[in-house]
Amino acid sequence: NAGVTQTPKFQVLKTGQSMTLQCAQDMNHNSMYWYRQDPGMGLRLIYYSASEGTTDKGEVPNGYNVSRLNKREFSLRLESAAPSQTSVYFCASEGAKNIQYFGAGTRLSVL
Amino acid sequence: GDSVTQMEGPVTLSEEAFLTINCTYTATGYPSLFWYVQYPGEGLQLLLKATKADDKGSNKGFEATYRKETTSFHLEKGSVQVSDSAVYFCALSEASGTYKYIFGTGTRLKVLA
Repeated sequence: NAGVTQTPKFQVLKTGQSMTLQCAQDMNHNSMYWYRQDPGMGLRLIYYSASEGTTDKGEVPNGYNVSRLNKREFSLRLESAAPSQTSVYFCASEGAKNIQYFGAGTRLSVL
Repeated sequence: GDSVTQMEGPVTLSEEAFLTINCTYTATGYPSLFWYVQYPGEGLQLLLKATKADDKGSNKGFEATYRKETTSFHLEKGSVQVSDSAVYFCALSEASGTYKYIFGTGTRLKVLA
């Protein structure tokens, strides 16, 4: 049972480079989320998607774009990476009773 | 706006010690409350939850009671093990699919043998 799968697990970028973080869930959930985790700040919501075809900004959306490709997949794109985007990124989907299921994370360093 | 406040860590305990991690919240409605746990190198996973006042969530020896009068949801365990070493997050959710899911900053627990 895969749950939520994120790729890649690690990435190093140079300032100005672009990349896409991939996320897929196999639990048939409608809602999906992208968070970033920084020391001392917990998890902050970047974007979320309540259902296929819809996306909305969260608390810290600047510098990111998202695509809800289908019900399973929700990708996060950094168009021009900045050192401030060095973080650990988590994708999650939400199932019954408001329970969120998380991927293992992507550790991103921007030099 | 809604918020969750957790006690700062790290918390270091000896094996078999009693654990309390404090969590208080502010919310406009009647949220569900959660504790998630994050083991090293992994994503968060649900530990326990409570959906209304006076509910007690429990799992793996951990317990937390939804206290509306004190807006608290403190995590407790009577006897911790080395394997409980992790980061613990308190969270609230107003309703499904609304993105109103607020996490605390996390409390790191280290249990020594």
